[in-house]
Amino acid sequence: EVQLVQSGTEVRKPGESLKISCRTSGYGFSAFWIGWVRQLPGKGLEWLGIILPADSDVRYNPPFQGHVTISADTSISTAFLRLNTLTASDSAIYYCARYPTTDSPDFWGQGTQVIVSS
Amino acid sequence: EIVMTQSPATLSVSPGERVTLSCRASQSVSISLAWYQKKPGQAPRVLIYGASTRATGIPARFSGSGSGTDFTLTISSLQSEDFAVYYCQQYDNWPSVTFGQGTKVDIK
Repeated sequence: EVQLVQSGTEVRKPGESLKISCRTSGYGFSAFWIGWVRQLPGKGLEWLGIILPADSDVRYNPPFQGHVTISADTSISTAFLRLNTLTASDSAIYYCARYPTTDSPDFWGQGTQVIVSS
Repeated sequence: EIVMTQSPATLSVSPGERVTLSCRASQSVSISLAWYQKKPGQAPRVLIYGASTRATGIPARFSGSGSGTDFTLTISSLQSEDFAVYYCQQYDNWPSVTFGQGTKVDIK
């Protein structure tokens, strides 16, 4: 059974950084892209970027380049999203998802809530 | 950046009704268009990709059409579990991927 399990709720102050994890199981981790999407409170969805763990090929949505860092550790079948220099506008629920192709995801993590507040 | 505009913002519908949601791109995205369903407390779910291909396990009452700049998601007979927010997403200019602002389908 394919599973993506994300790390828990995070609370940070503005200016801090954090790293969210997405631990996968039930399939060959290296062979599938893992992407990250966020939902801002009461608002829509934003696509942050994606990684192919096999060769750490990372692609960022340009508005987020430099603000987020995506990585993966194949030894533990886990992908990571690092958010740099947090602001209140980074408060959101962050989701990881598996992409068999870059077009469309099929399995999702449960979401990680991030709260940025002074 | 390609801007995706959805209409209407909110749609009030009775169960059993036919629902048509619209999505317009600021420039052509060919058929690189997906539709997502989002419910509170749940991860998004892909309904349609490639403008008209249903994702695995998606009921046949969901259908997508369009190409270029104008797209439609149709729900042929709305079920109670279909009340949600629906988003279109273009990926033609990958990785510059953008979503529409969403259409909320609620109970009339």
